[in-house]
Amino acid sequence: GAGVSQSPSNKVTEKGKDVELRCDPISGHTALYWYRQRLGQGLEFLIYFQGNSAPDKSGLPSDRFSAERTGESVSTLTIQRTQQEDSAVYLCASSWTGGVLYGYTFGSGTRLTVV
Amino acid sequence: DAKTTQPPSMDCAEGRAANLPCNHSTISGNEYVYWYRQIHSQGPQYIIHGLKNNETNEMASLIITEDRKSSTLILPHATLRDTAVYYCIVNSDDSWGKFQFGAGTQVVVTP
Repeated sequence: GAGVSQSPSNKVTEKGKDVELRCDPISGHTALYWYRQRLGQGLEFLIYFQGNSAPDKSGLPSDRFSAERTGESVSTLTIQRTQQEDSAVYLCASSWTGGVLYGYTFGSGTRLTVV
Repeated sequence: DAKTTQPPSMDCAEGRAANLPCNHSTISGNEYVYWYRQIHSQGPQYIIHGLKNNETNEMASLIITEDRKSSTLILPHATLRDTAVYYCIVNSDDSWGKFQFGAGTQVVVTP
């Protein structure tokens, strides 16, 4: 597709349930990033994937969070045993190989609400 | 910890220039200054970036002080669609996105 696609766009879940968020990057983009944005706050880096290299998970806030990516395609972010503090917009971005930020294209995010 | 400091908010009249300041006094020699903006309910959008020279593109101009400790993003003719949160970020070219967005500056363009 032309842009980064994220699904679902909105998700309401009960505390303690697991959720899975999906990101379809731009075709050909080797790098994929997940960020979290709590209400009224800036973006918080979670994890990034670069090709077949081991992902950088240094931003994941707890072991309840995990992410996978198959090759250079779809990525899923899984949150187990959700807590109310997990409520946020989860943003995915992809880019061509390279560290310069202007190559990032962000999706519109998944708004997660834990009740 | 964010490496930049920005005012929390500013207003701008439609059609006038908007000058958005950013302090980055601890910037390293290999770190670039980037600007992104986030319109409500959308993902961030790249605006411009620079190392030490001033830069201009179709969206904005970036003025970096000679000591690189601060910069200003200039929107030459603000429109209502420029209402957004503007983020100033410093990052080295090899950091692969491991950076923190701060709270940014909420810019409101008024008619």
